[in-house]
Amino acid sequence: EPEVTQTPSHQVTQMGQEVILRCVPISNHLYFYWYRQILGQKVEFLVSFYNNEISEKSEIFDDQFSVERPDGSNFTLKIRSTKLEDSAMYFCASSINFGAGELFFGEGSRLTVL
Amino acid sequence: GENVEQHPSTLSVQEGDSAVIKCTYSDSASNYFPWYKQELGKRPQLIIDIRSNVGEKKDQRIAVTLNKTAKHFSLHITETQPEDSAVYFCAASGGDKVIFGPGTSLSVIP
Repeated sequence: EPEVTQTPSHQVTQMGQEVILRCVPISNHLYFYWYRQILGQKVEFLVSFYNNEISEKSEIFDDQFSVERPDGSNFTLKIRSTKLEDSAMYFCASSINFGAGELFFGEGSRLTVL
Repeated sequence: GENVEQHPSTLSVQEGDSAVIKCTYSDSASNYFPWYKQELGKRPQLIIDIRSNVGEKKDQRIAVTLNKTAKHFSLHITETQPEDSAVYFCAASGGDKVIFGPGTSLSVIP
């Protein structure tokens, strides 16, 4: 069964460093998302992406964040200058239907900022 | 924007009993309401969903109801089993994003 894959599974970084989290969505999906989950808290929407552009972003997704689809398979989330409060699990998701269909989540990338 | 509330935050039931989780949403334009189950350390996975043109949907031991007028929707799990223990998230979507509720930690006591 096809699934969303994410790398790395865990990254430890120093405050102020840049981090890139990578995702390979399911191949026939057209809509891509990043969500964040601080330990023990809810799954928070960051950004949705379609047709090579951001379609919606939350207040969390400020100028420190960016997304890119550099080739036909990868979807990346970049945090330019990490803060302690960026420590969380970051989930990539993809779907066939925009906003009205199942989100298929990857296993997540745990980011720890020291 | 959309805001989803969820109650209770924690729920303990005896094995075999029923569990009910309730959610409310704020955006009347939302038309898709999925429920996700997240086991400890794992990714969220869809367990059931309902669209705004339907009032109730059932899948084996799981059922979901939707009251669009009141902006309420609920998850019902019957004959609970220990493997139902997890965090359950309701969510609402009206377009290009799915907004999750804060989650309910369900414990099923054998």
